[in-house]
Amino acid sequence: GAVVSQHPSRVICKSGTSVKIECRSLDFQATTMFWYRQFPKQSLMLMATSNEGSKATYEQGVEKDKFLINHASLTLSTLTVTSAHPEDSSFYICSAKAAGTAAEKLFFGSGTQLSVL
Amino acid sequence: SQKIEQNSEALNIQEGKTATLTCNYTNYSPAYLQWYRQDPGRGPVFLLLIRENEKEKRKERLKVTFDTTLKQSLFHITASQPADSATYLCALEGYGGSQGNLIFGKGTKLSVKP
Repeated sequence: GAVVSQHPSRVICKSGTSVKIECRSLDFQATTMFWYRQFPKQSLMLMATSNEGSKATYEQGVEKDKFLINHASLTLSTLTVTSAHPEDSSFYICSAKAAGTAAEKLFFGSGTQLSVL
Repeated sequence: SQKIEQNSEALNIQEGKTATLTCNYTNYSPAYLQWYRQDPGRGPVFLLLIRENEKEKRKERLKVTFDTTLKQSLFHITASQPADSATYLCALEGYGGSQGNLIFGKGTKLSVKP
């Protein structure tokens, strides 16, 4: 099956620093990637949708200048949490849609646990 | 906006029994509904998708039903095993879902006791 690799799986950083999370589709081309955030015992909340080669579309309430998304190639999207604060501590998950497939075919990365001290 | 409710936060059952999880949505009827499994500290893993014109879908020990009148999906695991212990998420297409974005329920944490 299709594989989405997300790295790192866990990161601890100091408040005020920036953290970059990578999401790669290993065996397919992903025209669209999605970034979700999940707090403990809560549902996954969509943060933004990124299409290769264009600007990401952010959900209401998500600061685009704080959560920078780059989707420069068909196999890689990155999420950078800038000037991280403790309230940004969460589980971040990416998913990818393969090019030419129906909208419902999504594959998820294994997630990144971000802890901001 | 669409809301998804998974009524039970947790469900405990005995090994060998059938686990039944419920997912209700409140607004527009989606073209499809999906179920995922999520283990602690991991991303969701796709299990089953059922379309609005399908009443039931099966995959090995898994069965999903979809009732658009009740706005409800039921997820069954028959002959449950301790290895089935995980959180199960219901998901359906978000608004403008042609791009593939999903909205998720909070999940039901299933514990299967030996």
